[in-house]
Amino acid sequence: DGGITQSPKYLFRKEGQNVTLSCEQNLNHDAMYWYRQDPGQGLRLIYYSQIVNDFQKGDIAEGYSVSREKKESFPLTVTSAQKNPTAFYLCASSSLQGSYEQYFGPGTRLTVT
Amino acid sequence: KNEVEQSPQNLTAQEGEFITINCSYSVGISALHWLQQHPGGGIVSLFMLSSGKKKHGRLIATINIQEKHSSLHITASHPRDSAVYICAAKVYYGGSQGNLIFGKGTKLSVKP
Repeated sequence: DGGITQSPKYLFRKEGQNVTLSCEQNLNHDAMYWYRQDPGQGLRLIYYSQIVNDFQKGDIAEGYSVSREKKESFPLTVTSAQKNPTAFYLCASSSLQGSYEQYFGPGTRLTVT
Repeated sequence: KNEVEQSPQNLTAQEGEFITINCSYSVGISALHWLQQHPGGGIVSLFMLSSGKKKHGRLIATINIQEKHSSLHITASHPRDSAVYICAAKVYYGGSQGNLIFGKGTKLSVKP
């Protein structure tokens, strides 16, 4: 089945450690996105990429890094510089033709203590 | 002021009731998404519309571009409709088409 996978579903880390969240899609979409969701707030864009080896910062990129070495994959690294890393992270992808409708992954809940 | 506002924030209904969730936006958009998020967290796209009205089963979405307002209606609500419903405006962001600005969501609980 085509879709977006994120792993793991739950992730626990100690403060000061970097952690990488996985996002893979087999929809042949050019664009991929990372969002962060906090209680009582709307999703906020962290980074997005429209093409391999290129990506742009979103609204809250500080403390995060990404790479796009393959079309199918867009991993997000939460670095120790991110002040409040505990959150729910959602990955999405879309075609850059037609409707540009975004399709979302199941999310990763990161807890940093 | 948020660029995308939803109301109400929380909604409790009895099974069978007709439900309306509202979304107002202040930015120029190319389309508006309605999304559904279940307790597990995954998000499913319900509708994307840029004008008029769309219907899928018991769900109806409308948009009024002039008034910058959209509504999501659920007819004959059922407990399995309990979820968070999110509207998201599709805007041009830094030259990129397709980026979304999200409302904070409406938490719907349908009681049997």
